[in-house]
Amino acid sequence: SAVISQKPSRDICQRGTSLTIQCQVDSQVTMMFWYRQQPGQSLTLIATANQGSEATYESGFVIDKFPISRPNLTFSTLTVSNMSPEDSSIYLCSVVRQKPESGANVLTFGAGSRLTVL
Amino acid sequence: GDSVTQMEGPVTLSEEAFLTINCTYTATGYPSLFWYVQYPGEGLQLLLKATKADDKGSNKGFEATYRKETTSFHLEKGSVQVSDSAVYFCALSAVTSNTGKLIFGQGTTLQVKP
Repeated sequence: SAVISQKPSRDICQRGTSLTIQCQVDSQVTMMFWYRQQPGQSLTLIATANQGSEATYESGFVIDKFPISRPNLTFSTLTVSNMSPEDSSIYLCSVVRQKPESGANVLTFGAGSRLTVL
Repeated sequence: GDSVTQMEGPVTLSEEAFLTINCTYTATGYPSLFWYVQYPGEGLQLLLKATKADDKGSNKGFEATYRKETTSFHLEKGSVQVSDSAVYFCALSAVTSNTGKLIFGQGTTLQVKP
């Protein structure tokens, strides 16, 4: 299965600052996906990052708040801008991978980046 | 819109007890259904999946059957271990395999005591 590395694994940030999360995948993928998991809540898709084009954002998420870069087929960044305590969440990078034994496509996640905004 | 509802946790069981975590869904069309598990300090991992009605997904002793008539995908295990302590997420995907949008339930925390 895919190896997905995220940095930082956790950080404590001050209100009003911005933080960029990096996601590195061990092989080339067309699309990378950024999810958010707020404390005690479920996961919500923020946006889909396509190499060579602008990211596609889900309802309720905007580029000014969550700018995304996708410079190549193995790397993406998500920036959380002008943070407030409500942005305290786990941010997860994910990709779709095909399981060799079954051919099924599954969504594979990184370990996540836990951000706490004071 | 599509949604997933899971039973609230935490669920606390003794080792070797029988586990059921309920999951029901609302979706148009015929979604694929998933259970993901998040062990402490780790990322989400796919536990099992089912892609059509009456399919049974199974892995590591866990099972779930896709029940279209009751729109359910309950997770079961006959004998839990302490190492099964984790957060379990039910999810659905009603889109093609080339997209990564899953609709997740709120998660159910399982605590297994020795």
